[in-house]
Amino acid sequence: QVQLVQSGAEVKKPGASVKVSCKASGYTFTSFGISWVRQAPGQGLEWMGWIAPYNDNTNYAEKFQGRLTMTTDTSATTAYMELRSLRSDDTAVYYCARNRCYGGNCYTDNWGQGTLVTVSS
Amino acid sequence: DIQMTQSPSTLSASVGDRVTITCRASQFISHWLAWYQQKPGKAPKLLISKTSNLESGVPSRFSGSGSGTEFTLTISSLQPDDFATYYCQQYNSYYTFGQGTKLEIK
Repeated sequence: QVQLVQSGAEVKKPGASVKVSCKASGYTFTSFGISWVRQAPGQGLEWMGWIAPYNDNTNYAEKFQGRLTMTTDTSATTAYMELRSLRSDDTAVYYCARNRCYGGNCYTDNWGQGTLVTVSS
Repeated sequence: DIQMTQSPSTLSASVGDRVTITCRASQFISHWLAWYQQKPGKAPKLLISKTSNLESGVPSRFSGSGSGTEFTLTISSLQPDDFATYYCQQYNSYYTFGQGTKLEIK
């Protein structure tokens, strides 16, 4: 069965960077994109961007341009999300999710368990 | 950017009730809409894709309809396991989620 297993919780100081991993199993990793979505405490879901593991093409939401990098390691079937210059309002649970696509339209079907990133001085 | 507006934000209902959640897009998204259920401390779970396609294993009491800019999620007879927060997501142009509808026990 499809599984996405994320790395553990992180505590970071303002200005630092965080890198979250997402280990995929149960499907052909290079056949599906990976999205990253975050959820601040008590808030809704916010799409951050996605990456296509077969060619590492990325699309980032405009608000994260310049401080977000998504990468993959196909040999390890793992996706990574790195967010830099952290601020207190980056405190959130970060999810990876698999993209299922039909033609040019993709939605997220399977999700990781989430990784809590806390930014605090 | 496409904005998604869900209503209501909170819905109080009883087991056995029929409930409907509405999602409106700020521009035309055809039928590229999904619905998710999220329980506290858990990841969202995909219920419906492409407006009305029920995911495997999702009970048939869940249904979706709509097109263009207005969409609905209906639960025909609420069960105790259905009390959760529901999100719509457009995927016509990147992704945007609605703000969520919390379904509470009356």
